Amino acid sequence: NAGVMQNPRHLVRRRGQEARLRCSPMKGHSHVYWYRQLPEEGLKFMVYLQKENIIDESGMPKERFSAEFPKEGPSILRIQQVVRGDSAAYFCASSPRDRGLQETQYFGPGTRLLVL
Amino acid sequence: GQNIDQPTEMTATEGAIVQINCTYQTSGFNGLFWYQQHAGEAPTFLSYNVLDGLEEKGRFSSFLSRSKGYSYLLLKELQMKDSASYLCAVSLWGGGNKLTFGTGTQLKVEL
Repeated sequence: NAGVMQNPRHLVRRRGQEARLRCSPMKGHSHVYWYRQLPEEGLKFMVYLQKENIIDESGMPKERFSAEFPKEGPSILRIQQVVRGDSAAYFCASSPRDRGLQETQYFGPGTRLLVL
Repeated sequence: GQNIDQPTEMTATEGAIVQINCTYQTSGFNGLFWYQQHAGEAPTFLSYNVLDGLEEKGRFSSFLSRSKGYSYLLLKELQMKDSASYLCAVSLWGGGNKLTFGTGTQLKVEL
């Protein structure tokens, strides 16, 4: 009974490189959320996706960041041309199919990105 | 905008009871979640309140007052393993189910 899976758990990149973070939701979950946690700060919402659709990307920086959740495979958060300020823990959460009610979000173990 | 406040740190003794408060100022409040997060790990769901009152789950209880914009998490019979950060998060109507988190309360349980 796997929970939310994220990989890699740790990622080191040099400034200017690309970072690609993957998230596989819990079985039966079709909603994926990405959050960022900076040191000494709370979790901040980035983007909410369903299969093949971005529902809410109001928390995503306008440049360099993108997310997708294809019909097959994991959700991907991509950060192009990383800068030191992108160093953070990136958490993915998933919830079941929306029935019009608030569904509990279950979190993955996170990817800790370090930009050198 | 939304504002969620929690104490930064708390210390309590093993076997005791501790109450972690959370106040919020939001428009379109839908419900409130509590999560536990150990250092370097994923947040783990503890409770969800949408109506006023107390929800009890074993050693953990959570209370909500919508009119006062106030919630608390009550931990009884504290154990050393309860040392963690406790996150209060609010969901909003029309917010697409996204959660807005407080900065978390770091609880330290001592002998």
